Amino acid sequence: EAQVTQNPRYLITVTGKKLTVTCSQNMNHEYMSWYRQDPGLGLRQIYYSMNVEVTDKGDVPEGYKVSRKEKRNFPLILESPSPNQTSLYFCASAPGVGLIGLAGQETQYFGPGTRLLVL
Amino acid sequence: AQSVTQPDIHITVSEGASLELRCNYSYGATPYLFWYVQSPGQGLQLLLKYFSGDTLVQGIKGFEAEFKRSQSSFNLRKPSVHWSDAAEYFCAVGPKTGAQKLVFGQGTRLTINP
Repeated sequence: EAQVTQNPRYLITVTGKKLTVTCSQNMNHEYMSWYRQDPGLGLRQIYYSMNVEVTDKGDVPEGYKVSRKEKRNFPLILESPSPNQTSLYFCASAPGVGLIGLAGQETQYFGPGTRLLVL
Repeated sequence: AQSVTQPDIHITVSEGASLELRCNYSYGATPYLFWYVQSPGQGLQLLLKYFSGDTLVQGIKGFEAEFKRSQSSFNLRKPSVHWSDAAEYFCAVGPKTGAQKLVFGQGTRLTINP
């Protein structure tokens, strides 16, 4: 089954304790992205990656790191979590990078979400 | 700046009634347009998308949306809602070329009265 998986689904941690949220997709997608969802703000992009070893900042990258060593995995790293990073996090993937003529390639597929609480 | 506005934070409709969720966008050029639905405790599922051509697009679960360039709008509609449609709905826009950076609206929570 084609899917995007995230682990863990729920996490409670304390300020300053490094954590990693994993994201994996089995669709051979080039593009992967991380979003955070907060009430009243919708989803905001944290980081994205257009291919292996290619990553770039989204709208709210502060306090986060990512890596893309393999095509299927795109972990989100919080080196020193703070309470303002309490949020619902979504990983997404897509086949291509929005090239003209590839209509349909641009659809992003979302993981189930990771709910993080930082105390 | 790119932005998406969903003016209605919360909408309540009766089961069987018609539904329209509003979405307005501000973008440099005509973008790709999407509607996603998020059921409670679930991830986002794509309802429909507009890339070009016919401005009325059909999606899953009986939803449709109409792109109106002159109004920079992409409103979502359904003729008759079901209790299972209760969810949060997000409008999103993305560029036609380059990185797939989706910009989301704030979301509209839909409640269905029996």
